[in-house]
Amino acid sequence: GQSLEQPSEVTAVEGAIVQINCTYQTSGFYGLSWYQQHDGGAPTFLSYNALDGLEETGRFSSFLSRSDSYGYLLLQELQMKDSASYFCAVRIGSTLGRLYFGRGTQLTVWP
Amino acid sequence: EAGVAQSPRYKIIEKRQSVAFWCNPISGHATLYWYQQILGQGPKLLIQFQNNGVVDDSQLPKDRFSAERLKGVDSTLKIQPAKLEDSAVYLCASSEGPSADTQYFGPGTRLTVL
Repeated sequence: GQSLEQPSEVTAVEGAIVQINCTYQTSGFYGLSWYQQHDGGAPTFLSYNALDGLEETGRFSSFLSRSDSYGYLLLQELQMKDSASYFCAVRIGSTLGRLYFGRGTQLTVWP
Repeated sequence: EAGVAQSPRYKIIEKRQSVAFWCNPISGHATLYWYQQILGQGPKLLIQFQNNGVVDDSQLPKDRFSAERLKGVDSTLKIQPAKLEDSAVYLCASSEGPSADTQYFGPGTRLTVL
């Protein structure tokens, strides 16, 4: 089976930097994805890491260490609109991939 | 480009009744997913289609849930009969290929079973 651990809640102020960690235990691991979901909204894709290292996309960066079964999402220059739930998800399988999601981290950004 | 469409957006039924959800994926996307998201949890994959074939339905409660994707485009998910624990948001997602790297989600159907 698959097991993912991420903090349930994180709070920060506008302009700050926050890191959301994700550790996983799974077989057939192929990559780690991150999704953002606002209350009542649909999950939206943020990033995907298949190789070790840091991927940067604007204010958001994602990191993966396959040897440590660990990854994180880094959000910089936080804005109020970043208040949302953030899910890490492991991709299982190469050709026919499937995603298994963690329980999510609720990020609250204060003014 | 139009996104993933789902209907209805909300549904309230009593236990033991039946319900069906509809999904229209992004045009040209071969892979379609149905997820169940219970309040406070992450989406849980129920079934994955590649064109009109089932890739994975290992987490679909087949005694009450069924899904089909005729002609490899639209899909329907049915629950018959519904139980209280089926109350959740049912999300449909699609991706261009089968790798599942980047999935595009629809707005979901919020189901309440009384």
